[in-house]
Formats: sequence, C-alpha cells, structure tokens
Amino acid sequence: SQQGEEDPQALSIQEGENATMNCSYKTSINNLQWYRQNSGRGLVHLILIRSNEREKHSGRLRVTLDTSKKSSSLLITASRAADTASYFCATDVGSNFGNEKLTFGTGTRLTIIP
Amino acid sequence: NAGVTQTPKFQVLKTGQSMTLQCAQDMNHEYMSWYRQDPGMGLRLIHYSVGAGITDQGEVPNGYNVSRSTTEDFPLRLLSAAPSQTSVYFCASRPQTISGNTIYFGEGSWLTVV
Repeated sequence: SQQGEEDPQALSIQEGENATMNCSYKTSINNLQWYRQNSGRGLVHLILIRSNEREKHSGRLRVTLDTSKKSSSLLITASRAADTASYFCATDVGSNFGNEKLTFGTGTRLTIIP
Repeated sequence: NAGVTQTPKFQVLKTGQSMTLQCAQDMNHEYMSWYRQDPGMGLRLIHYSVGAGITDQGEVPNGYNVSRSTTEDFPLRLLSAAPSQTSVYFCASRPQTISGNTIYFGEGSWLTVV
C-alpha cells in the first residue's frame, strides 16, 4: 500500500494564485521530500524536510511537516504557467545501512491557468 | 555529466518475451533503484541496490530481476513479460545510503506488453 497520499488529486488555479497540496503518510519517517514531474518526464527533487523540522522554504516553495498528524503540505506562491505538473511527496523510512526505501504518494496534478 | 540514463525510451513486447531495461549513472552513486509508475498508483519500488553486488526487493518485485555488477549500471530484466507489466519505468540513483540525500531520476522507459 502507498505510504503517502496526496490531496487533492487534481488542482486548477489561476496564474498568480497560491497552490497548496497536502500529503498524509502512515508510519514514522526520517524525512519527507517533494518532487515535481512534468508530463512525460522523470521526477525532479524540489525540497526535503527532516522529521525534526516543522517548516522549510525554498524560493516560492514552502513546506510544513506535522509529525503528530503524519502530514505535510507544499505551498507554491505566486504560481506560474511553468508550475503546471504533477507533484509527489515521498517518505524515507529507512534507518539502517542498506535499508533505504523512498516511498512515493499518488501525486497531485496541478494546472495553472494563464 | 549525463546523470541517469535509461534505454530504451519506448518498447513494445509480446506476452512471454523477455527484455532488459538498461540504466546507467555517471555520478558514482552507491544507491540505485527501479520504480514503476501506473495511473493512480504513484511510483512503486521494484528493486533497489545499495552498492555493487548488493540488491534487494522493493514493493513489487515479482516478474523482475536485477543485478549490480558495477557501480554505474543497474539493469532491470523482465523474465516473461505480461500485460500487467505495461507501465512507465524509472531508474533512480542517489549518493551514499544515508537518509536524506536527493534522488535523481532518469527520463523513463515506456513499456507496452501486448
């Protein structure tokens, strides 16, 4: 079963608006990462937040992590047409050498309307 | 520096045929993995390797075989293709096996089994 579940599955907003996506997971994690996937391409890493962090920023991206609720959110501010893509959260639960498994959620498809 | 290179990009197989998806990385990464991506399922881990000569199963290993004879290469073999293996396959790598490192993806291999 999937470790992470993104919400919503799809989101359409006007260019310039903010986009918020949520991720819930099931087990304790070492860190949580967000990735972007443009149509027909591989995934690209956006940002990583560790289990002892609550908030992290990178440019127009803001990620929060609530380990008590086992959830994370990704906020993209001042959206642009180029932000149109699918966004995935991924959780890293491995703690021992040779036991690293990054588990991905089902993704949120974001469409920015010009 | 090419990153993670996958071949072929597209492949059509008949049921029962075997084939190998190639993956190579030139970043001297210890960790490599194969995922499959299906609609509504996100990415699911097939097999992974933490170094040359070391491989382990992921979430959906049945019907697939891997080996890691060199640091650079991590081929995925389909032993007897089935229509259920129609999917997009992604190879990924990351440095070290310590939790928290960014994972780098190839551009994907589209496989159709008829």
